[in-house]
Amino acid sequence: GAGVSQSPRYKVAKRGQDVALRCDPISGHVSLFWYQQALGQGPEFLTYFQNEAQLDKSGLPSDRFFAERPEGSVSTLKIQRTQQEDSAVYLCASSPQRGVNTEAFFGQGTRLTVV
Amino acid sequence: QKEVEQNSGPLSVPEGAIASLNCTYSDRGSQSFFWYRQYSGKSPELIMFIYSNGDKEDGRFTAQLNKASQYVSLLIRDSQPSDSATYLCAVNMWAGGYNKLIFGAGTRLAVHP
Repeated sequence: GAGVSQSPRYKVAKRGQDVALRCDPISGHVSLFWYQQALGQGPEFLTYFQNEAQLDKSGLPSDRFFAERPEGSVSTLKIQRTQQEDSAVYLCASSPQRGVNTEAFFGQGTRLTVV
Repeated sequence: QKEVEQNSGPLSVPEGAIASLNCTYSDRGSQSFFWYRQYSGKSPELIMFIYSNGDKEDGRFTAQLNKASQYVSLLIRDSQPSDSATYLCAVNMWAGGYNKLIFGAGTRLAVHP
């Protein structure tokens, strides 16, 4: 399809394990966002890429979180030494503009459960 | 104070009634305001956005914006059980070089037959 694609859809990780979450944005979209959504909460901003440049990582909760978008298309969010509090849905969104002016298109998310 | 605030609900309305969802925001510089609908286990989907004071209508949905009061609302007319979902208010905030979406916690709406 032509939408934002995220994989895996579900991930169970043992505490302390490293995980990598993938986002494939809509082709040609300049902007890519990662959000974290805890149960019963709204999406919380994690980081923003404009093409391959990570312009904002102010929302990353700790230095265990790392994101990259090396060629300005696919992005990976990596979480090292996962903790139980990392359990959440991780949403990726893309936009054709610099930032969001009219609409951000969301992927289906990756539900991470840390046990 | 959170940047975007919503009543978490649940807001329960009978089928056919008007559902009114409210949102306040803290950044006076915000220019665009969005309403997303999120079904359980699904990703947010855009219902509509508004950037001018006043009302904007799209089918059964009307968004209302009052920048002086820093207040945005969404009215859903003739509510249907299929409208039962969480409604997320999002505000476009200038982050120095780009706009980013900041979301409220969402309001759960339940439309009962």
